[in-house]
Amino acid sequence: QVQLQESGPGLVKPSETLSLICNVSGVSIRSHYWSWLRQPAGKGLEWIGRIYATGTAVYNPSLNSRVSMSVDTSKHEFSMHLSSVTAADTARYFCARVSVAAVYYFDVWGQGTLATVSS
Amino acid sequence: QSALTQPRSVSGSPGQSVTISCTGTSNDVGDYNYVSWYQQHPGKAPKLMIYDVTERPSGVPDRFSGSKSGNTASLTISGLRTDDEADYYCCSYGGPHNLEVMFGGGTKLTVL
Repeated sequence: QVQLQESGPGLVKPSETLSLICNVSGVSIRSHYWSWLRQPAGKGLEWIGRIYATGTAVYNPSLNSRVSMSVDTSKHEFSMHLSSVTAADTARYFCARVSVAAVYYFDVWGQGTLATVSS
Repeated sequence: QSALTQPRSVSGSPGQSVTISCTGTSNDVGDYNYVSWYQQHPGKAPKLMIYDVTERPSGVPDRFSGSKSGNTASLTISGLRTDDEADYYCCSYGGPHNLEVMFGGGTKLTVL
């Protein structure tokens, strides 16, 4: 079955760049769009953006100047980089598969990885 | 403050039905049928329960149903079970001039 697994540093210092990787198994990474979302502790979900295997990406405008995504088809993984992080970026970050029904739905999720911004 | 408005909490007894509302505007929920709902148990990833306002992904019980009227979408859970207790989030396409994917603040469902 389709599985997604996030990995990342766990702790990032303020003003540095948070880099996360999502490994995809059970399906070709070329066959779907892929997204990142995040959820601060005790709060709601926020969509960060999505990317296709070609590298075409769409980002949340509120993060647009700080976020970038990429895909490495040879490694079956996609990644997210969030620059100039602050405490407000502390959250659990999820990678997810975008549904074929529409690019606004997420039908398979990773378990999430906690990223804490602290000095 | 979330773009879509949901009640913070709802509750019901096993076997009963509950409805969770999700209010947007005429620019998002009211203008497009790209509404989805997610269930999230504590410490777990969200799970897609409804998409296209009313459609259920394979494996989601038909106890879960979605609807929309005007700017408000709703998720109804019938025949409540204790394992339905979770947080529920609505999500909508925000339109071409807005945030593309917007979520509600979430509703905590308690099954008494």
